[in-house]
Amino acid sequence: DADVTQTPRNRITKTGKRIMLECSQTKGHDRMYWYRQDPGLGLRLIYYSFDVKDINKGEISDGYSVSRQAQAKFSLSLESAIPNQTALYFCATSDGFDDREGNEQFFGPGTRLTVL
Amino acid sequence: GENVEQHPSTLSVQEGDSAVIKCTYSDSASNYFPWYKQELGKRPQLIIDIRSNVGEKKDQRIAVTLNKTAKHFSLHITETQPEDSAVYFCAASITGGGADGLTFGKGTHLIIQP
Repeated sequence: DADVTQTPRNRITKTGKRIMLECSQTKGHDRMYWYRQDPGLGLRLIYYSFDVKDINKGEISDGYSVSRQAQAKFSLSLESAIPNQTALYFCATSDGFDDREGNEQFFGPGTRLTVL
Repeated sequence: GENVEQHPSTLSVQEGDSAVIKCTYSDSASNYFPWYKQELGKRPQLIIDIRSNVGEKKDQRIAVTLNKTAKHFSLHITETQPEDSAVYFCAASITGGGADGLTFGKGTHLIIQP
C-alpha cells in the first residue's frame, strides 16, 4: 500500500546539536507538510512544499529549516536544537487534486524528538 | 491567520450514548473542514470532512454539520462504542482548499465508559 514513512521514529539529542528528520512517501503526492504536535496544543504547521522548487513557511517556522530533495522526500532540520523543540513531529502529504474544495492530508507515523 | 477553537477538551460518555464536539473558526475564507481521529501512539487519520458548499454530511454513525454564517462546525458520533475512544481534532483550511495547510483545534479526548 502507498504510504508515508518517517525516520527516525524516536530520537533523543542534546541542546545545540543539529538533527534531521526525514519523510518519504510512495503516494505520488506533490504536496508535503511538516507539523508539530505538543500535548494540549493540537498540531501546528511548520513548513510546506508544493514541489521541489516551492517551499513555504508555516505558522511556527522559526528554528527549523526544510529540504525537498525529490517529489517523494521532504526533510526537516533543527540547526541547533533546544529543549522547547521537544515534541512529536508529523509529516503529511496531499495530492492537490481538488484545490477549490479541499484535499485530504495523509499523515506519517510521527517522530518523537526529545531535546535534553 | 486562521484560529480554530475546539470544545470540550475532554468528553466522557456512556457506551451507546451520543457524543458531540464543537469547533469555531475565525477566517471566513476557510472552506474545508476535516476531522481527524488519533488513537494513542498512532498517527491522525481522517474520519470525515465537509466543504463549505454543504451543510451536513453523514457516514454511518458519524456526522458533521457546518454553519458558515456562525463560523462553527460540529462532529456528532451516535451509538458510541469502546473503539471510539481517542483524541479527535477539528481543522480548517488556512486558505481555500487547504493547499497551504490546516489549522487544527487543540483536540478533544473522548472517553467511552462501559
